[in-house]
Amino acid sequence: DVKVTQSSRYLVKRTGEKVFLECVQDMDHENMFWYRQDPGLGLRLIYFSYDVKMKEKGDIPEGYSVSREKKERFSLILESASTNQTSMYLCASSLYSYAGANVLTFGAGSRLTVL
Amino acid sequence: AQSVTQPDIHITVSEGASLELRCNYSYGATPYLFWYVQSPGQGLQLLLKYFSGDTLVQGIKGFEAEFKRSQSSFNLRKPSVHWSDAAEYFCAVGAQGSSYGKLTFGQGTILTVHP
Repeated sequence: DVKVTQSSRYLVKRTGEKVFLECVQDMDHENMFWYRQDPGLGLRLIYFSYDVKMKEKGDIPEGYSVSREKKERFSLILESASTNQTSMYLCASSLYSYAGANVLTFGAGSRLTVL
Repeated sequence: AQSVTQPDIHITVSEGASLELRCNYSYGATPYLFWYVQSPGQGLQLLLKYFSGDTLVQGIKGFEAEFKRSQSSFNLRKPSVHWSDAAEYFCAVGAQGSSYGKLTFGQGTILTVHP
């Protein structure tokens, strides 16, 4: 089975700090995603990547950036954390499919608290 | 743009009772549809998916879902709920022909099971 690993399960940061959330998948998936999960809002797509060094904005990219230097690793960066970025962050990956959307495999999540 | 609505934020059922979770989507063509489940403190696990063919789809843990194009719905059902089914359930839609594989999720439905 594909495994998606998010290195930090819980983080507490101060307003204005730079925050890195790391995600690694071990099955050579082309696509990787960062979602944000908030109660009552479901999952919202922040950024995704379909190849090394390639990235696309999702629905809520403001205040975030991403990096994909290697195929297996996709990092989410909060340049200057703010309290409204307190949330659960979920990383996911999927195989490329010419036909369309494919099954996402998710990591366990990183719960970020910004004080 | 595609969207998903899960009208029920919270549902409570008794153990052994039947269950139906509602999902309505908006998409201009035939969508790819998914149901995921999230247990407390965990990432999302795929329950079932619909890509094409038979509109009644069987999944894991005894769940099934039916795609009804005329109603733009993909409701999740289970004939007899177990206490271990208590979790949050997410419906998601993906586009055909998108090589990036991104999914749009609904707001989620929290299921509580009474003994």
